Amino acid sequence: AQKVTQAQTEISVVEKEDVTLDCVYETRDTTYYLFWYKQPPSGELVFLIRRNSFDEQNEISGRYSWNFQKSTSSFNFTITASQVVDSAVYFCALSEPTGANSKLTFGKGITLSVRP
Amino acid sequence: DTAVSQTPKYLVTQMGNDKSIKCEQNLGHDTMYWYKQDSKKFLKIMFSYNNKELIINETVPNRFSPKSPDKAHLNLHINSLELGDSAVYFCASSRQRDTQYFGPGTRLTVL
Repeated sequence: AQKVTQAQTEISVVEKEDVTLDCVYETRDTTYYLFWYKQPPSGELVFLIRRNSFDEQNEISGRYSWNFQKSTSSFNFTITASQVVDSAVYFCALSEPTGANSKLTFGKGITLSVRP
Repeated sequence: DTAVSQTPKYLVTQMGNDKSIKCEQNLGHDTMYWYKQDSKKFLKIMFSYNNKELIINETVPNRFSPKSPDKAHLNLHINSLELGDSAVYFCASSRQRDTQYFGPGTRLTVL
């Protein structure tokens, strides 16, 4: 069975600090996808990134960067120079193909608080 | 333009009632999902439909019945509501196994 572990439950930082959110996953599939979603206080789930299991290149998008390491089954997310607007719950998720669909297995989420 | 929309946003009802949540997507996707987020923010899939066909049913009580009249809509009907059904329900859509995009959620409170 698939599993996603986000060991950190709550992180609090001061604005402009860098912060890394950890994600460790378990799967027996050789082809899979990893995701990060953001849930701000308003409640919606916002897609941030998708990574497939064959692409271990790190990705950077503005202040966000992702480090995918298959050897350690980790897909960590770093926010550089954090801002108050980054305060949210961040979910890591793993996609399991099921026929024509896929289902997401989510971690428990990390609540990030960025203080001014 | 709203990509995935849900109605209502909030739903407060008494135990034992029957209620429905509607979901619509205008992304042209062929696959739609229902997820439940509990009070601890844990997200778990409930159902998935592909081209109006039920693909995933994750041991959800029979009181929950999804219905997909067409590819763009997936509704969730809940019979005999119980206190434990209180949660936020998210609809999502995707192009087959591609990225899932979520609706704004429906917060259901059962009194």
